Amino acid sequence: DGGITQSPKYLFRKEGQNVTLSCEQNLNHDAMYWYRQDPGQGLRLIYYSQIVNDFQKGDIAEGYSVSREKKESFPLTVTSAQKNPTAFYLCASGPGTVAHTEAFFGQGTRLTVV
Amino acid sequence: RKEVEQDPGPFNVPEGATVAFNCTYSNSASQSFFWYRQDCRKEPKLLMSVYSSGNEDGRFTAQLNRASQYISLLIRDSKLSDSATYLCVPHLGYGQNFVFGPGTRLSVLP
Repeated sequence: DGGITQSPKYLFRKEGQNVTLSCEQNLNHDAMYWYRQDPGQGLRLIYYSQIVNDFQKGDIAEGYSVSREKKESFPLTVTSAQKNPTAFYLCASGPGTVAHTEAFFGQGTRLTVV
Repeated sequence: RKEVEQDPGPFNVPEGATVAFNCTYSNSASQSFFWYRQDCRKEPKLLMSVYSSGNEDGRFTAQLNRASQYISLLIRDSKLSDSATYLCVPHLGYGQNFVFGPGTRLSVLP
């Protein structure tokens, strides 16, 4: 089945540690996105990528890093520089074409700093 | 002015009711528009794409007014399963980003 997969579903991190969230899609989508959602709040864009080996900062990129070495994969690293990383992280992908710009989401990763 | 503004809600309606949500966006360059629904502690799921003046999908109707920079979502014959947060999402076009609205929460009551 085609889809977008995020792992792990739940992640606990000690303060000062870097952690990497996985996002894989087999939909042959060009565009991929990372969002952060805090309780009761909307989605905020961290990074997005329209093509392999290229990505753009979103509104809240500080303390995060990404890579796009393969079309299928867009991992997000939450670094120790991110002061308040506890949140719900959502990865999305989309065709990224002129005619079809919609995005589809993975099931998300809940990150908690302990 | 915020990029996307939505009715804050929550909307509490009885089953079978008709409910409408409003959304305004500030960037006139927005090319396409979407409504997503998000259940509590879940990922957003695409409900409708709105590419022209509006479209209908079963009980759901979306309207777009580009001149007023306004989008609406109408839900007829509400079901308990419609309870969710509805997100208005303009898109700036190919190669650009989505802008998610804060969402409007709907509770359909038995």
